[in-house]
Order: sequence, then C-alpha cells, then structure tokens
Amino acid sequence: NAGVTQTPKFQVLKTGQSMTLQCAQDMNHNSMYWYRQDPGMGLRLIYYSASEGTTDKGEVPNGYNVSRLNKREFSLRLESAAPSQTSVYFCASSEGYRETQYFGPGTRLLVL
Amino acid sequence: QKEVEQDPGPLSVPEGAIVSLNCTYSNSAFQYFMWYRQYSRKGPELLMYTYSSGNKEDGRFTAQVDKSSKYISLFIRDSQPSDSATYLCAMSAAGTASKLTFGTGTRLQVTL
Repeated sequence: NAGVTQTPKFQVLKTGQSMTLQCAQDMNHNSMYWYRQDPGMGLRLIYYSASEGTTDKGEVPNGYNVSRLNKREFSLRLESAAPSQTSVYFCASSEGYRETQYFGPGTRLLVL
Repeated sequence: QKEVEQDPGPLSVPEGAIVSLNCTYSNSAFQYFMWYRQYSRKGPELLMYTYSSGNKEDGRFTAQVDKSSKYISLFIRDSQPSDSATYLCAMSAAGTASKLTFGTGTRLQVTL
C-alpha cells in the first residue's frame, strides 16, 4: 500500500517548456488535490477533483490544467512554464467530503 | 491579511520541553481544524484533527480550539528531537470540508 505517489521527484524546465506532473493513489479515495508550497506562502490549492469526472479550480489555477484520468490518477500540466511556477508541488487525496487529506512526497520543480 | 496566520519561527526548544504552537484565523465559518507535521523534503502528514471548539489529546499531543477567539493551539509534551519538523495548521468550513486553508507553518527544532 504505497498511499499517494508522485512522479517525477525533481524536474528542471526552461521557460516556455511544458510538462505533466503525475499523481496516483491506491487508497480508493474519491477526491484528489494539487497544491503548491512556496516559502512564506504555505500550501495553496491549485485544482481539485471532488470525484472521478469532475475538476474545479482552487486558489491559484492560472497557468495550470488538470486531468482526472480515472479514480486513481490525477495529473497536473504546465503548458508553458514560467519562473513563477518554481515551487514544490504536492498531490493529496481524501476519501470524499472529509477532512483527512493524505499527501504525496512532492515534486520539486525549477523553472529557469 | 491572510485568512490564517501562523508564526513561522523557527522555534528552538530543549528536549523534554513543552511546546506551544498557535494559529489565528479570521473566517468565522471555519469548523474543522487540523495540524499537519512536515519533515524536511517530505509531504505533510496529518497529526491531529478537531471539529469545532474543545480539546483533543493523542499521546504527547493536545490540540485546542477556541472559536470565540479564532485561535487554535497544538501542545507537545516531553518534546523529542524526532519532533523537529514544520507544523502546519489547516482549517475548513462546513460544506467545504475538503477545501483546506493552510497556515504558513512553524519550524520547530528540538535540541539535545
């Protein structure tokens, strides 16, 4: 039981490049989330998926797109990376309309 | 002004000390309150969860919520070097229980 897994662990991009961050959970959770964590800003919600087939914007969605591929997988795409998107990205999942979110280990992204 | 305020620290205490970590918030709709622990270069893990006002104890950890003052606390008794981490408070409103608002985190260092 791996919980929430994220790939890659670390990525360096040049401005304008695109990439997809992958997230998968094996806890049969309905809800999944993408956060970014920046110094002095805490964790901020980018997008979430309350259930398979639905996605909604969070606090900071600009510059990102998401896909809930199936119940297990929720990907985050940067179409044209910018230095302001340098951050640590965390995926999380929860059973449903509950408060206990389980986090993955994070992806460190550096945009040059 | 941020919805959730948390002193970033760092807070340095000797082993065995009692630690008090605090958050204040402005949104009176918040009803679910959580504390997450985050070790360096890891994802946050849920430590304590409380609903509405009151206290909750789990081993060496006690969470307190004072909704009238919009103030929550986490107490750690007999602190250990393994408690050295960043502690994040998080909260959400009824009906949006899965949409968490995080504090920026307090970094705690427990020294031998």
